[in-house]
Amino acid sequence: IAGITQAPTSQILAAGRRMTLRCTQDMRHNAMYWYRQDLGLGLRLIHYSNTAGTTGKGEVPDGYSVSRANTDDFPLTLASAVPSQTSVYFCASSVGLGGPTDTQYFGPGTRLTVL
Amino acid sequence: GQNIDQPTEMTATEGAIVQINCTYQTSGFNGLFWYQQHAGEAPTFLSYNVLDGLEEKGRFSSFLSRSKGYSYLLLKELQMKDSASYLCAVMDSNYQLIWGAGTKLIIKP
Repeated sequence: IAGITQAPTSQILAAGRRMTLRCTQDMRHNAMYWYRQDLGLGLRLIHYSNTAGTTGKGEVPDGYSVSRANTDDFPLTLASAVPSQTSVYFCASSVGLGGPTDTQYFGPGTRLTVL
Repeated sequence: GQNIDQPTEMTATEGAIVQINCTYQTSGFNGLFWYQQHAGEAPTFLSYNVLDGLEEKGRFSSFLSRSKGYSYLLLKELQMKDSASYLCAVMDSNYQLIWGAGTKLIIKP
């Protein structure tokens, strides 16, 4: 059992290009999340999905989009990358529907550099 | 606004005890989480508190005071492998986690 996998591990991207970060979990968790982590700042929620077919906006959603066609996959797309989107991106999942006690488990992260 | 405060960095000695504090101001409270994150790796879950008091789990304990908006993580019998960042996060009224910037813990022999 892999848990949560993310791809790619790292990527250097030219500004203006489109990029999709992939996230797959095999734990049959209902809720999934995308965070970015920047030096000196806490993890910030970009988008989330409480169950397949639904998505919601987090704290910093601008410039990003997500989809949740099935339980396992939750891709994050940057339509036109900008240098301020340089960050480490973590995907996470939790068993429940995003309620109290719902512990989140994290993937290994994608380090993205936009030049 | 919502805010989670933790010290940026702490240093402790192998075998000793260290307490990492976290204060929070959030819109609603549905529990407080502590995660450990080694450099270049993903955060991993350590503990969850929703009621006041101390939760003990091996060498790690976490304390919560909701009235004071305060928690701490206590690490005993420190080992070199405990060198990591420790992240405090509060689940707000929308069931979203609000994260502190993390405390980098340096363990010296």
